[in-house]
Amino acid sequence: DTAVSQTPKYLVTQMGNDKSIKCEQNLGHDTMYWYKQDSKKFLKIMFSYNNKELIINETVPNRFSPKSPDKAHLNLHINSLELGDSAVYFCASSPTPPGSYEQYFGPGTRLTVT
Amino acid sequence: GDSVTQMEGPVTLSEEAFLTINCTYTATGYPSLFWYVQYPGEGLQLLLKATKADDKGSNKGFEATYRKETTSFHLEKGSVQVSDSAVYFCALKSGGGSNYKLTFGKGTLLTVNP
Repeated sequence: DTAVSQTPKYLVTQMGNDKSIKCEQNLGHDTMYWYKQDSKKFLKIMFSYNNKELIINETVPNRFSPKSPDKAHLNLHINSLELGDSAVYFCASSPTPPGSYEQYFGPGTRLTVT
Repeated sequence: GDSVTQMEGPVTLSEEAFLTINCTYTATGYPSLFWYVQYPGEGLQLLLKATKADDKGSNKGFEATYRKETTSFHLEKGSVQVSDSAVYFCALKSGGGSNYKLTFGKGTLLTVNP
């Protein structure tokens, strides 16, 4: 069984379009995250949600809007896509601390903006 | 703010060679430290961790010791295999409760040749 799943795996779109990436976890975790990994593999947190509430927002442009309909899902909607948004986006989840602080990552969504 | 510095890659080794990937950190206090591994085409997964000074994390033949004197958490393996080829990320935990986040280094690509 897949623990953290993301759809789609690949997304190719043109500048100016709006797109969404979906994430689901079946681990029963309370906290979920979105990360962006650039072409040099640098990984940076974008958002975290705990029990559907926004906890961390790392100065991400307003074009990015996360939505958590329930604690098992965290979707990422991107408006007016730009070339610089091309990256691999990873969803992750973790149990509520105290705990190991281990984060479980999805397989990633490779977004290409042309 | 908190930061993690890893040795620049890529690192290319022959099978059964000794591996060291250096990692140093800058943070307030003594944060928990982690090594994550990303195999080709996959998301990150936790390799090992240490939560306090002098702790040694170990898994799959990899080891890292939390050294507060040198603010380091170097990853080592005595004999690498082709299957160890991956990108390795050092990370630290900052913040507490549900408000914590992981700060990652830039990743080190390891290629092991037969």
